[in-house]
Amino acid sequence: DTEVTQTPKHLVMGMTNKKSLKCEQHMGHRAMYWYKQKAKKPPELMFVYSYEKLSINESVPSRFSPECPNSSLLNLHLHALQPEDSALYLCASSQDHATNEKLFFGSGTQLSVL
Amino acid sequence: DQQVKQNSPSLSVQEGRISILNCDYTNSMFDYFLWYKKYPAEGPTFLISISSIKDKNEDGRFTVFLNKSAKHLSLHIVPSQPGDSAVYFCAASPFTGTASKLTFGTGTRLQVTL
Repeated sequence: DTEVTQTPKHLVMGMTNKKSLKCEQHMGHRAMYWYKQKAKKPPELMFVYSYEKLSINESVPSRFSPECPNSSLLNLHLHALQPEDSALYLCASSQDHATNEKLFFGSGTQLSVL
Repeated sequence: DQQVKQNSPSLSVQEGRISILNCDYTNSMFDYFLWYKKYPAEGPTFLISISSIKDKNEDGRFTVFLNKSAKHLSLHIVPSQPGDSAVYFCAASPFTGTASKLTFGTGTRLQVTL
């Protein structure tokens, strides 16, 4: 199983809503990542979890709250988002974040904030 | 400041011909380079990588060339096939070589025509 599964695939939410994005991998990878990608732009790193602990937060606003319940799961909790947060949110995993390991990406959640 | 640049947003190549995708970088600390391919509605998938100790790496129809003095790398696809039509992202990682420090380029959309 070399898949990273993300749900939902599409999400529309209002600025007062609370929602969560979910990500799952069963490759035994110990590093998991959240990226944000706007149209015609490269993916931008948001958070890195290593061995279930948050190791990198790229100055992401607190309205985005990551959670790693176990080594296979990664969540991104969303609250009070702004329309400019509309983007494709990609989850990725790798064997370890401290080596030149290739990333395995999920298919993403296309988020629209109204 | 875009440290990894893909100056051609799109490229059209006839089936059977060679596709050459280019990538330039500005950070001399980059040590490891990767190419990812992305189909619509899917996450990026790893294609091929190269370490700075090499100047060429080959995997089937895909070859990556690295010119460190010019801070330039290129991906060659020979022969090009319609299934290669996708967006190709170049990515670079610094000397410390961590997957969490990947910087992506803006992507080149390749269209392989019949």
